[in-house]
Amino acid sequence: SQQGEEDPQALSIQEGENATMNCSYKTSINNLQWYRQNSGRGLVHLILIRSNEREKHSGRLRVTLDTSKKSSSLLITASRAADTASYFCATARTPSGNTPLVFGKGTRLSVIA
Amino acid sequence: GAVVSQHPSWVICKSGTSVKIECRSLDFQATTMFWYRQFPKQSLMLMATSNEGSKATYEQGVEKDKFLINHASLTLSTLTVTSAHPEDSSFYICSARRVVSGRLLAKNIQYFGAGTRLSVL
Repeated sequence: SQQGEEDPQALSIQEGENATMNCSYKTSINNLQWYRQNSGRGLVHLILIRSNEREKHSGRLRVTLDTSKKSSSLLITASRAADTASYFCATARTPSGNTPLVFGKGTRLSVIA
Repeated sequence: GAVVSQHPSWVICKSGTSVKIECRSLDFQATTMFWYRQFPKQSLMLMATSNEGSKATYEQGVEKDKFLINHASLTLSTLTVTSAHPEDSSFYICSARRVVSGRLLAKNIQYFGAGTRLSVL
């Protein structure tokens, strides 16, 4: 079953604009991860935010986490055409142990040059 | 960085045949690998957890006899789709968690293969 729910499901923006994607989850977490998938390819890990962190930056990426609302957001600043991809949030099925990741439905981002 | 190789990247087969997909961790050991299935414009659905040296753990609704998983070494897991039918056509992706000095790295970050697109005619 899917734990994360992203919105919007699809987002189209102009190059240079910022893109914000949101994710909600249902259970307790130790951390939340964001992954990127180019069309027809595997997923690439982007960033991980721990449950005791509220915000994290990596290059043009900014992730926030609100554990009280069980939600996270991914902001991509100054978007580029190469950022066109699907973005998924993921949480572990259970907070501890060797557990699979559960992925949200994803946001399909299109950056128009 | 950790690299996971998945082969083949694309396969077309006739209905009733079996197809084997390989997932290899190239520069690290992976005691656990995961197999996902993805339909167009949808998320990844976990099919099974592949454990080195033991039986795979299948998700509810996934047929064990249809999707055979073998994890015979610390760097290789295989998924065999047996007697494939058109409804098995999908994108299959594997991932692996990295083991260092016999211990799983924390954080549960997974490294993904590039995926296999299966088309059953």
